[in-house]
Amino acid sequence: GDSVTQMEGPVTLSEEACLTINCTYTATGYPSLFWYVQYPGEGLQLLLKATKADDKGSNKGFEATYRKETTSFHLEKGSVQVSDSAVYFCALWMDSSYKLIFGSGTRLLVRP
Amino acid sequence: NAGVTQTPKFRVLKTGQSMTLLCAQDMNHEYMYWYRQDPGMGLRLIHYSVGEGTTAKGEVPDGYNVSRLKKQNFLLGLESAAPSQTSVYFCASSYSNRDLAVLDEQFFGPGTRLTVL
Repeated sequence: GDSVTQMEGPVTLSEEACLTINCTYTATGYPSLFWYVQYPGEGLQLLLKATKADDKGSNKGFEATYRKETTSFHLEKGSVQVSDSAVYFCALWMDSSYKLIFGSGTRLLVRP
Repeated sequence: NAGVTQTPKFRVLKTGQSMTLLCAQDMNHEYMYWYRQDPGMGLRLIHYSVGEGTTAKGEVPDGYNVSRLKKQNFLLGLESAAPSQTSVYFCASSYSNRDLAVLDEQFFGPGTRLTVL
């Protein structure tokens, strides 16, 4: 079935370091792809999305490109801040199934 | 505009007790969802609804029931709570315009932390 695989965390970085969180997917069709972020004690918020191959989603300095050939949607940021500390979830949507499929989440800890 | 709200925020139950979690959204969304979040397992879909009066099973529906009597509300019930249902429960809603094949984002509530002793 459809699934999402994320790199295991936690990922610990110093402030201003570069971030990459890997996400790959398996899907029978052409899904839309998402990154959600969960700050401590809160619900999930949409960070960025891409609906077709080669699309790049971006928000708050984060970027991810929908790569159909490698079935990937890696999250990147050039310079992380302490306030970026959170859990990041990659997800895919197959419209025919009406539901999001989430990866297991990757915890990011940014130290001052 | 409150978005998605959940009641209660915290609850402790004894094994065998029942309870209902309430989710409300004021965005006129068609779709609503209940997830549970457990360490290392991400979010798993319990039940969902694609419109008032309709519900469907998700990935982990056993032990839960739902109702969508009003468009803005989606209730999750536990008839006989078990320790395995200790989790954080999230409700979400979205508007999906299927005619245009465009998906709007899912909006999440703040969560309900449930402990079953």
